[in-house]
Amino acid sequence: DQQVKQNSPSLSVQEGRISILNCDYTNSMFDYFLWYKKYPAEGPTFLISISSIKDKNEDGRFTVFLNKSAKHLSLHIVPSQPGDSAVYFCAASAYSQGGSEKLVFGKGTKLTVNP
Amino acid sequence: GAGVSQTPSNKVTEKGKYVELRCDPISGHTALYWYRQSLGQGPEFLIYFQGTGAADDSGLPNDRFFAVRPEGSVSTLKIQRTERGDSAVYLCASSKQTGWGTDTQYFGPGTRLTVL
Repeated sequence: DQQVKQNSPSLSVQEGRISILNCDYTNSMFDYFLWYKKYPAEGPTFLISISSIKDKNEDGRFTVFLNKSAKHLSLHIVPSQPGDSAVYFCAASAYSQGGSEKLVFGKGTKLTVNP
Repeated sequence: GAGVSQTPSNKVTEKGKYVELRCDPISGHTALYWYRQSLGQGPEFLIYFQGTGAADDSGLPNDRFFAVRPEGSVSTLKIQRTERGDSAVYLCASSKQTGWGTDTQYFGPGTRLTVL
């Protein structure tokens, strides 16, 4: 039973265009959401996050939108660059046992930005 | 270095053997997490340390898995009687745990464990 779902295993876009990566979650206790980027043979790299009290957070070319009623978030990358090609993971957390902020991850979406 | 480091980067072992995986968190980070990533999946939580104590070990799959963090810094994940199904990338992450909202977890490069 996946609590965080990324239904698109892959996405291909042209350089300069917008990339939109989607994520859905089922656990209403989640209060913090993050996006990580992962290159092969490397660990996930933190990209951007959003608290459940907000509906948008922006950092340069990256914007994350949160729709709590739909339990949906998305990552927008504008403009997309070839160096953005990587696997993107959506993750969510809820305060839990012992102060743990353990992350629940989706399966990832492989983004390819074509020159 | 300034980031989370993990050793070894790769470990190949035989079924039934014992392995230890090491994580060196970012200096000053009191929270440390272990995750496991299998092929085609996202990372899955294993265990969380706040300081020296394992405050949440709800993700450990069974009693063959154990982790320690004796001095509140370096952590070791120990797997006894390894099985082929243990083959995965083991990731370590650390965070400041400021107590003000949720703190970003920073990941190491991982240890790729292969059990033959």
